[in-house]
Amino acid sequence: AQSVTQPDIHITVSEGASLELRCNYSYGATPYLFWYVQSPGQGLQLLLKYFSGDTLVQGIKGFEAEFKRSQSSFNLRKPSVHWSDAAEYFCAVGADSWGKLQFGAGTQVVVTP
Amino acid sequence: DAGITQSPRHKVTETGTPVTLRCHQTENHRYMYWYRQDPGHGLRLIHYSYGVKDTDKGEVSDGYSVSRSKTEDFLLTLESATSSQTSVYFCAIRDRGQETQYFGPGTRLLVL
Repeated sequence: AQSVTQPDIHITVSEGASLELRCNYSYGATPYLFWYVQSPGQGLQLLLKYFSGDTLVQGIKGFEAEFKRSQSSFNLRKPSVHWSDAAEYFCAVGADSWGKLQFGAGTQVVVTP
Repeated sequence: DAGITQSPRHKVTETGTPVTLRCHQTENHRYMYWYRQDPGHGLRLIHYSYGVKDTDKGEVSDGYSVSRSKTEDFLLTLESATSSQTSVYFCAIRDRGQETQYFGPGTRLLVL
């Protein structure tokens, strides 16, 4: 069965420290891969996406993600977090012509001073 | 901003009553989607549409119906609301050029 797993439900990180959020997927072929961010009480904002080509993709707000086919992973990273990065982050995968997305359960990021 | 609005933004209703949520877009996108968001589940697809009068079921469609009589509007109806349908509902459009979905602000629904 197709699935998207975000192993970490909750991550606490100090301001200025690096952040890495994990995403693993199980699909038959290489799907489209996305990271979205949701601030409290808000909708979802696209951070970045991967379709093909360079496996390291750059997004907004200083985020990047690396696609690793051998590990079926698409991990999100930021070298130095800011207090405003506190939010919930969702990995999403799409693999059909209808554009339907399957989401991971999300990772809540807390940033401490 | 993908020009997506949802109404109402908040609603409280009672079990057994019908509820309709509206998603409106201004950019003539063909594909539209309804998701629900619940803690521990991320977002799950309810229904989607690939054109006027063309809709199909998603992962969690039981208890929901949709209609799309105009390109710009995609309606989600709970025929008889239940407490298990308390959730935050998000509408999305798919930009075919970018193969990317953009989301509306959400509707918070509480079924008592």
